[in-house]
Amino acid sequence: EVQLVESGGGLVQPGGSLRLSCVASGFTFSSYNMNWVRQAPGKGLEWVSYISGSSSTTYYADSVKGRFTISRDNAKNSRYLQMNSLRAEDTAVYYCARAYTGSSWPDAFDIWGQGTMVTVSS
Amino acid sequence: QSVLTQPPSVSGAPGQRVTISCTGGSSNIGAGYDVHWYQQLPGTAPKLLIYGNSNRPSGVPDRFSGSKSGTSASLAITGLQAEDEADYYCQSYDTGLSGVVFGGGTKLTVL
Repeated sequence: EVQLVESGGGLVQPGGSLRLSCVASGFTFSSYNMNWVRQAPGKGLEWVSYISGSSSTTYYADSVKGRFTISRDNAKNSRYLQMNSLRAEDTAVYYCARAYTGSSWPDAFDIWGQGTMVTVSS
Repeated sequence: QSVLTQPPSVSGAPGQRVTISCTGGSSNIGAGYDVHWYQQLPGTAPKLLIYGNSNRPSGVPDRFSGSKSGTSASLAITGLQAEDEADYYCQSYDTGLSGVVFGGGTKLTVL
């Protein structure tokens, strides 16, 4: 079964850091570009970051540029989001999402994880 | 304020047809970028409904269809069912923002 499972969310103080993980199974992870998408409580979807299958290319939304870093370990079928200098407005459910065609940018997102909640509050 | 504009809500009775619009501009939909649609049931992750403007992934009923024209796109749902009650989002790419953008979402209520 094709699956993405996120972990690493939790409560963190403003200015703090958190590292999210996304483990993939059921498909050749290295062949697919991957993304992070977040959703603040009661709000809509916001794209956060992208990483190519080879890790050679990354993109970020302006709202997180310079604070968040996306990476991946194809040997572990895992992708990560290192979040630094967290702000209250970063509070959201964070989803990892697979690019539909695998290698195109931009692309639709066909497989989503269940999400992990990040709460930034003192 | 989302770059892509969707109506906050739409409604319809079972069996009816509803459409959800997604209006963009010259830096996104009008620039030729594809539009994709997602369905999000309460408390769950989004599900890809339409990709590449009008294509359905396997398993998505043909009651769902998408179209694109100029700077706008639409999602149509025919034969409305109670299980279709959900939030719907459009997605595209914006050259000004150099990133993926989503519409603000539309809540579909089945009366």
